Amino acid sequence: AQSVAQPEDQVNVAEGNPLTVKCTYSVSGNPYLFWYVQYPNRGLQFLLKYITGDNLVKGSYGFEAEFNKSQTSFHLKKPSALVSDSALYFCAVRSGGSYIPTFGRGTSLIVHP
Amino acid sequence: DAGVIQSPRHEVTEMGQEVTLRCKPISGHNSLFWYRQTMMRGLELLIYFNNNVPIDDSGMPEDRFSAKMPNASFSTLKIQPSEPRDSAVYFCASSFDPAGANVLTFGAGSRLTVL
Repeated sequence: AQSVAQPEDQVNVAEGNPLTVKCTYSVSGNPYLFWYVQYPNRGLQFLLKYITGDNLVKGSYGFEAEFNKSQTSFHLKKPSALVSDSALYFCAVRSGGSYIPTFGRGTSLIVHP
Repeated sequence: DAGVIQSPRHEVTEMGQEVTLRCKPISGHNSLFWYRQTMMRGLELLIYFNNNVPIDDSGMPEDRFSAKMPNASFSTLKIQPSEPRDSAVYFCASSFDPAGANVLTFGAGSRLTVL
């Protein structure tokens, strides 16, 4: 079985400050990890992925995420938040043996001016 | 490519009526997923097709739900009869290379309200 936990329903950060959205996972074997973002009344959009290689992966809009195998985490980060980053963020995981990703419950990011 | 196209974007219907949601995946994608999103349960997988064949339908709630993919460019999700608890946003997503990265491209969703 595979699962994802996003422990925070909401994250509040001031514009210009660094942001972190947390994600931990459980999967058999090596994980394939993803972050997606959802803006209001839109579908989910892919941000970045970790499959193998460097533990720090960079994605769209200045976002990055760090894969930590010992802590089974894949936290999303950005050095300087923008008001336009306000959205719902989903972490997802799948194992190498499954073609179906499991999504977390989502974390609402609110960036205050 | 126009992306994954879903219709209708909004549907309001009365309990007991049949609802059909439609999806056109990205050309060349060989995997298609139907998800349901609600505040209470988040994003739930309903069914997964690969090369037009249903591979995993364990998320389909009950016999009132059915999904088809008659060809590589079209899929439907049908609810008959509909109930108020079916109210949700239904997303279709497609991808290529399921054995690889398998990044999903989502449609804009169909918001269903059952009165």
